[in-house]
Amino acid sequence: AQSVTQLGSHVSVSEGALVLLRCNYSSSVPPYLFWYVQYPNQGLQLLLKYTTGATLVKGINGFEAEFKKSETSFHLTKPSAHMSDAAEYFCAVRTSRAGGTSYGKLTFGQGTILTVHP
Amino acid sequence: DSGVTQTPKHLITATGQRVTLRCSPRSGDLSVYWYQQSLDQGLQFLIQYYNGEERAKGNILERFSAQQFPDLHSELNLSSLELGDSALYFCASSVQAGGAYEQYFGPGTRLTVT
Repeated sequence: AQSVTQLGSHVSVSEGALVLLRCNYSSSVPPYLFWYVQYPNQGLQLLLKYTTGATLVKGINGFEAEFKKSETSFHLTKPSAHMSDAAEYFCAVRTSRAGGTSYGKLTFGQGTILTVHP
Repeated sequence: DSGVTQTPKHLITATGQRVTLRCSPRSGDLSVYWYQQSLDQGLQFLIQYYNGEERAKGNILERFSAQQFPDLHSELNLSSLELGDSALYFCASSVQAGGAYEQYFGPGTRLTVT
């Protein structure tokens, strides 16, 4: 079984400050990891994903995340927050093992609401 | 715009009723997923179809069912509705059934059961 824990349901930063949203996962096989963003009254948009290869992954809107297998973490960062980054962010995990009944599903964390102050 | 469309956008109905939510995947995507988002349960996977066949099942109630049609659109049927079924229902699609392929999400259908 897989699971995701996002530390901190709410994170507040000032505009221009570093954004750090934490995600830890549990998976018995090498995982595929994703970060999605949800703006109010909208669907989820993919920010970035880790599948294989380079552990530092760059995504859209200046976000990046680093896969650390030893820490089972996939934290999301952005060097300088912008007001438009205010949204809810979801970390998700998916198995890399083909076949089975769970191959396609995403398991999401509880989400972190990011607030950006002027 | 992800290319995934969902109708209706909002749905208000009474307890005990039945509703159908519709999803059209992105052009070329064979796999469709349904998720439920609620305040208490968060985002939960319900069910997945691939090229017309059920591929995976999550925490989907027996009162709920889904299907994917030959033109690849999908419908989620919710029956004997209860107050607790009020939630945002998302459809997502991807090219293949799993693996590294990302899922593209529709805007969702907000269901309110009164």
